[in-house]
Amino acid sequence: DTAVSQTPKYLVTQMGNDKSIKCEQNLGHDTMYWYKQDSKKFLKIMFSYNNKELIINETVPNRFSPKSPDKAHLNLHINSLELGDSAVYFCASSQGGWTGLAKNIQYFGAGTRLSVL
Amino acid sequence: GENVEQHPSTLSVQEGDSAVIKCTYSDSASNYFPWYKQELGKRPQLIIDIRSNVGEKKDQRIAVTLNKTAKHFSLHITETQPEDSAVYFCAATSNDYKLSFGAGTTVTVRA
Repeated sequence: DTAVSQTPKYLVTQMGNDKSIKCEQNLGHDTMYWYKQDSKKFLKIMFSYNNKELIINETVPNRFSPKSPDKAHLNLHINSLELGDSAVYFCASSQGGWTGLAKNIQYFGAGTRLSVL
Repeated sequence: GENVEQHPSTLSVQEGDSAVIKCTYSDSASNYFPWYKQELGKRPQLIIDIRSNVGEKKDQRIAVTLNKTAKHFSLHITETQPEDSAVYFCAATSNDYKLSFGAGTTVTVRA
């Protein structure tokens, strides 16, 4: 069973369109994340939710809107797509919790390759 | 916020040789330092991590060292094999949520 699954795997669309990427985790984790990986492979955090509550919101255009209907799901909706949005988007999850002895390994989904034409 | 620098950006080694990747971090409060490996077209996966109360950790052919005073940590891969070819990312965090990643090191193991 896939622990963190995201759909679709590939997304090709025209500039100006609106699209969504879905993510689900079956690990029972409390925290989920969205990362953007550009063509230079740099991994940048976009958002994080803990128990459906937004805890990280980096400097991301407000065309990007995350939605967490429950702690097992974190979707990403993108309005008015631009050429610069082309990238691989990774969803991840972790057990959550504060520092100390808690292990907080982040498990990544397989990625969604978004191409904006 | 945390700033993680990673060097080198590319590394080519002969099979059987060792590979070393170095990272520095800026936030002295950072206390968790994972390393992720990303094979071509695949997802990043954790290969080893270290917490600030430990100076060194080893798992078979990979090891990580941490120098809190100097704020740097390193990944060591010994007896490299072709399957070690990948992009390696270091990361640091002080709160276990927001991982700040280095820019990645592309490791190529030559047969």
